[in-house]
Amino acid sequence: EAAVTQSPRSKVAVTGGKVTLSCHQTNNHDYMYWYRQDTGHGLRLIHYSYVADSTEKGDIPDGYKASRPSQENFSLILELASLSQTAVYFCASSSGQNTEVFFGKGTRLTVV
Amino acid sequence: GDSVTQTEGLVTLTKGLPVMLNCTYQTTYSPFLFWYVQHLNEAPKLLLKSSTDNKRTEHQGFYATLHKSSSSFHLQKSSVQLSDSALYFCASPTSAGNKLTFGIGTRVLVRP
Repeated sequence: EAAVTQSPRSKVAVTGGKVTLSCHQTNNHDYMYWYRQDTGHGLRLIHYSYVADSTEKGDIPDGYKASRPSQENFSLILELASLSQTAVYFCASSSGQNTEVFFGKGTRLTVV
Repeated sequence: GDSVTQTEGLVTLTKGLPVMLNCTYQTTYSPFLFWYVQHLNEAPKLLLKSSTDNKRTEHQGFYATLHKSSSSFHLQKSSVQLSDSALYFCASPTSAGNKLTFGIGTRVLVRP
């Protein structure tokens, strides 16, 4: 079965600190995504990538960076964490356009 | 721009009753619509999908029909169960086809 693994599963970060969320997929998928989930906003796309060493901005990229060092790995980086970035973050992968997106179990990030 | 609209934020109903969750979309792309379900503290998972106009698609007792004339893809079930309590997202690829746009989600709460 398709597998997307996120780490850590939860994290408490200090305002102004750096946070890195990691994602690993064993699906052999080209596309990887980072979504943010907030009540009342659904799932919003932060960054995505369709090939290693390249990333694209999603709908809400401000305050986030992404890194795709290999097909399997995709990281989300918060250089200066802020209170407004408290949310649940989901990594996902898919094989291409119009195909099923497989999600990881999410990372609950709390910025204090 | 591309968008997906879900009009109900919360639907509360009694076990055994029918349910319909609304989804309308706006896209210049040939539409490909998805419904994802997210149970509490779990990852979103694909429930069903369609790109064929006026054809009913079914999975796990849920069904939906894509109507391009009205830009709709409403999700229905004839008789809900307690286990159907979850968050339901409608989604559609953007015009570029390389990422999904999600609605804000509809939370379904089924009471005994």
